[in-house]
Amino acid sequence: QQQVKQSPQSLIVQKGGIPIINCAYENTAFDYFPWYQQFPGKGPALLIAIRPDVSEKKEGRFTISFNKSAKQFSLHIMDSQPGDSATYFCAASKGDDKIIFGKGTRLHILP
Amino acid sequence: NAGVTQTPKFRVLKTGQSMTLLCAQDMNHEYMYWYRQDPGMGLRLIHYSVGEGTTAKGEVPDGYNVSRLKKQNFLLGLESAAPSQTSVYFCASSHAGNGQPQHFGDGTRLSIL
Repeated sequence: QQQVKQSPQSLIVQKGGIPIINCAYENTAFDYFPWYQQFPGKGPALLIAIRPDVSEKKEGRFTISFNKSAKQFSLHIMDSQPGDSATYFCAASKGDDKIIFGKGTRLHILP
Repeated sequence: NAGVTQTPKFRVLKTGQSMTLLCAQDMNHEYMYWYRQDPGMGLRLIHYSVGEGTTAKGEVPDGYNVSRLKKQNFLLGLESAAPSQTSVYFCASSHAGNGQPQHFGDGTRLSIL
């Protein structure tokens, strides 16, 4: 049973646009929601993370929006650049349990 | 600072052969993980370890074994490789569980013929 559902699977956006990647979770006990970024040929790397006690977190051009009642969270990339082209994974975990990853979104930013 | 290093980077095996993938981290992390990444399937946890001498099963452990004899190393073994194990394997490490970022290696691309 997939506990973190991520959409879309792929996304193409013009440079300067705002790609939005959405994730939904089922387990209300989850208390940590990270996003990982992966470039081709490399391992994933932590991009930004949020706890459920806040509704939004910004780091540079990257923003997580969190809706606890809907059990959804999303990643927004402001002023997207071709260098942001990568695969993005949302994830969730509770306590010391292992992280559950979404299936990933392949993002392509057109120059 | 090397972070997480995986060896080898590429390997081709024949069905039935065995091999060991090595993961080494120099960050003194307690937790280590092995994932496999397949198209459209995301990252799936194979086995993990919460400290030296400990191991536990993840989501897809069948056909794999692991060992954590030293804190800095986590080995993933395939005793009898099958074509279904063709994948990209990632090792990761973290200081602890929740709230701590996982640091990933750059992967081992494994093909089973």
